[in-house]
Amino acid sequence: DADVTQTPRNRITKTGKRIMLECSQTKGHDRMYWYRQDPGLGLRLIYYSFDVKDINKGEISDGYSVSRQAQAKFSLSLESAIPNQTALYFCAISDRISNQPQHFGDGTRLSIL
Amino acid sequence: AQKVTQAQTEISVVEKEDVTLDCVYETRDTTYYLFWYKQPPSGELVFLIRRNSFDEQNEISGRYSWNFQKSTSSFNFTITASQVVDSAVYFCALSEAWNTDKLIFGTGTRLQVFP
Repeated sequence: DADVTQTPRNRITKTGKRIMLECSQTKGHDRMYWYRQDPGLGLRLIYYSFDVKDINKGEISDGYSVSRQAQAKFSLSLESAIPNQTALYFCAISDRISNQPQHFGDGTRLSIL
Repeated sequence: AQKVTQAQTEISVVEKEDVTLDCVYETRDTTYYLFWYKQPPSGELVFLIRRNSFDEQNEISGRYSWNFQKSTSSFNFTITASQVVDSAVYFCALSEAWNTDKLIFGTGTRLQVFP
């Protein structure tokens, strides 16, 4: 099993729809992150969470919300999707105690028409 | 403010050539980490290396080597005897040593290795 699982892997939807991207991990790490990747811009941090009760905004949180339902699950929501949110979204995990580098999921390709 | 610059947008080489991917960073911190990640055509992000700012020793891992120079704020990545499987987008990234949660990525360099 993959350490970090993102669902769905691909999604096409329409402007105005509510979208939820899900991330789950099997490593028991305390920290989870959501990034988006746009061509020519690299990856930018949307939100990150240190534990279930600790959610923090990243560089580009506007238009997004998150929920840390359990230590192993971190979901990203687009309340009303717009075309410029079309991107590749990555979930990542890390562990404070072991100080391992962030480990990424395989990504979710989201297209908003 | 922290910033990572990868000036090379795209590089094309022929198999067996050596290639160097440049990474220049900016930070006011005295302690920080530098990273390289690989994104193959399949899209996932693969961690390659992390260096602490106190450790300026060059690192070699098989055909991969990294040259860290604080004097020029650079952390360059060299692939020796490139192979088609090295074709990918490579990202350099930076974080504060005390706050590794905020990774600042460069815009990436697309490497194409032709047979």
